Amino acid sequence: DTGVSQDPRHKITKRGQNVTFRCDPISEHNRLYWYRQTLGQGPEFLTYFQNEAQLEKSRLLSDRFSAERPKGSFSTLEIQRTEQGDSAMYLCASSFPGQGQPQHFGDGTRLSIL
Amino acid sequence: QKEVEQNSGPLSVPEGAIASLNCTYSDRVSQSFFWYRQYSGKSPELIMSIYSNGDKEDGRFTAQLNKASQYVSLLIRDSQPSDSATYLCAVYSGGGADGLTFGKGTHLIIQP
Repeated sequence: DTGVSQDPRHKITKRGQNVTFRCDPISEHNRLYWYRQTLGQGPEFLTYFQNEAQLEKSRLLSDRFSAERPKGSFSTLEIQRTEQGDSAMYLCASSFPGQGQPQHFGDGTRLSIL
Repeated sequence: QKEVEQNSGPLSVPEGAIASLNCTYSDRVSQSFFWYRQYSGKSPELIMSIYSNGDKEDGRFTAQLNKASQYVSLLIRDSQPSDSATYLCAVYSGGGADGLTFGKGTHLIIQP
């Protein structure tokens, strides 16, 4: 069990650019979640996958955000035309199937928009 | 809208004492409750989960759940300086909403 892995750890980009983050979940987990956390706040849910199916999206996930998990293993989160307000820590978590299972987080990707 | 409320602190506790962290939630049908510890600049680390009313103990940590009062707490016994962190309360409500709802966290400081 190597834990949830996220890449990159940090991303600095100019406003208007596109960015993509990757998450590799714990291998036994078939559920994968994306959250966003800003300073002084708890993580906010964005979306989740069960295997390759994206089953839920938060209203926080604007049209500029897209997430994929094509083979039910790793996932990517893309933000198009980044804005200042997108600066945050993007966290990925995974869990076993079933409702209410504990979610284990990766180290996160810190995004800074210049 | 589902809400999870925590006192943001800071909560200052002497080393060796018991730290008590509290959380209330708004959704009565909430099913699963979690405590995460987050060090500054790091990601949340799961330390406790609780699903039914009562107490659950794991080492120096005890989680307490009272669904009637919509209240969950975390006790840390024999507090150590390494326990200084932000503690996040998270709630799972189900009903097709599988993301966790987090509070803003309580900043705990253990004074040596």
